[in-house]
Amino acid sequence: DVVLTQSPVSLPAALGQPASISCKSSQSLVHSDGNTYLNWIHQRPGQSPRRLIYKVSNRDSGVPDRFSGSGSATDFTLKISRVEAEDVGVYYCMQGTHWLPYTFGQGTKLEIK
Amino acid sequence: EVQLVESGGGLVQPGGSLRLSCTASGFILTDYWTAWVRQAPGKGLDWVANINEDGSERYYADSVKGRFTISRDTAKNSVSLQMNSLRGEDTGVYYCAKEPYDLWGRGTLVNVSP
Repeated sequence: DVVLTQSPVSLPAALGQPASISCKSSQSLVHSDGNTYLNWIHQRPGQSPRRLIYKVSNRDSGVPDRFSGSGSATDFTLKISRVEAEDVGVYYCMQGTHWLPYTFGQGTKLEIK
Repeated sequence: EVQLVESGGGLVQPGGSLRLSCTASGFILTDYWTAWVRQAPGKGLDWVANINEDGSERYYADSVKGRFTISRDTAKNSVSLQMNSLRGEDTGVYYCAKEPYDLWGRGTLVNVSP
């Protein structure tokens, strides 16, 4: 199974300041079709997960442009240009390139400091 | 409104069974692969199973293979997860998700306890 390792596990962030989360894969996530199936998922406290980013860098509808995804092969990053209060919660990277099974990172908890 | 609604969770003893349902509204669920993802209390997300559009392909995590069965009911626009031989480690919130994971339900809680 593909192992996704996120860092940091805990991310105290100041309002209005940037924040960044790393996701490293145990193997390349480049699919034979040329796509890289790496998603970023956000889960606010007490809520269900929501996809923010798909295929490394594509924002889902309604996701603010302060969120951006980048990376390639085994190293990926989610950046928030200016943290807002509503950004608290846990962020997960998720891969679908080598599915069966789909795998998730262990999560990064963002809180406001 | 486009949404997924899970139901069927509850308290069950170890070795028991539960059947979860995921019903879609606002779209045709059989147009998409559908998955179940679970979350143990205080833990991360864990993929459980998925099923293709017409139900001819079904895949499971090793941890549930042989105990859980995913199926779909076209008439009800729903997907089900039959869970047998339940264990304590199956406890958690079970989410239904439309692939490619761009829509998730609110989840249903399964508690396996004596």
